[in-house]
Amino acid sequence: AQSVTQLGSHVSVSEGALVLLRCNYSSSVPPYLFWYVQYPNQGLQLLLKYTTGATLVKGINGFEAEFKKSETSFHLTKPSAHMSDAAEYFCAVSAYIQAGTALIFGKGTTLSVSS
Amino acid sequence: EAGVAQSPRYKIIEKRQSVAFWCNPISGHATLYWYQQILGQGPKLLIQFQNNGVVDDSQLPKDRFSAERLKGVDSTLKIQPAKLEDSAVYLCASSPRQGLFGYTFGSGTRLTVV
Repeated sequence: AQSVTQLGSHVSVSEGALVLLRCNYSSSVPPYLFWYVQYPNQGLQLLLKYTTGATLVKGINGFEAEFKKSETSFHLTKPSAHMSDAAEYFCAVSAYIQAGTALIFGKGTTLSVSS
Repeated sequence: EAGVAQSPRYKIIEKRQSVAFWCNPISGHATLYWYQQILGQGPKLLIQFQNNGVVDDSQLPKDRFSAERLKGVDSTLKIQPAKLEDSAVYLCASSPRQGLFGYTFGSGTRLTVV
């Protein structure tokens, strides 16, 4: 069965600093991996996804993630944090369930950005 | 294109009362999901529909939760009777096909059971 583990429930950075949010996955089949962001009182917005091909994936708002099969990781990074990046971030993996597929989410990481 | 619409945005009810949530997916999206997101946790899948048929409802507490998707378009999720532990955000999402490549979420309904 597929699963996702997000290391660190809360990450704090200063504005302009590197953002690194960690995600490790478990999957018996080649995984499709996702990062979603959730702002207060809003739904989840897709940041980026890895399906096949290039292992370095670029997303919206300057975020990127690298799929590392050997490390079963899909960490999210951004070179320079902005105050507007403060939000909840969720890593997810596509899973085969019953007769279909669905996303299985990690518990989330809250990113705080200080000035 | 219009996004996934959900209503109401907020709902407060007393325990043992019933409540219903509504979701209208993106036009043409065959697959619809309901997720439950308890505060401080990631979304947990409750049920998946493909058109108007249920693909997976293994995580749905069927003694109190029910869901339907009539005519393969909009969907309702009902809780009867509600318990305190049902307090959560209920998210609806849709996808043009099976959600292997991700899907689009609505803004959610925040339920508080007192």
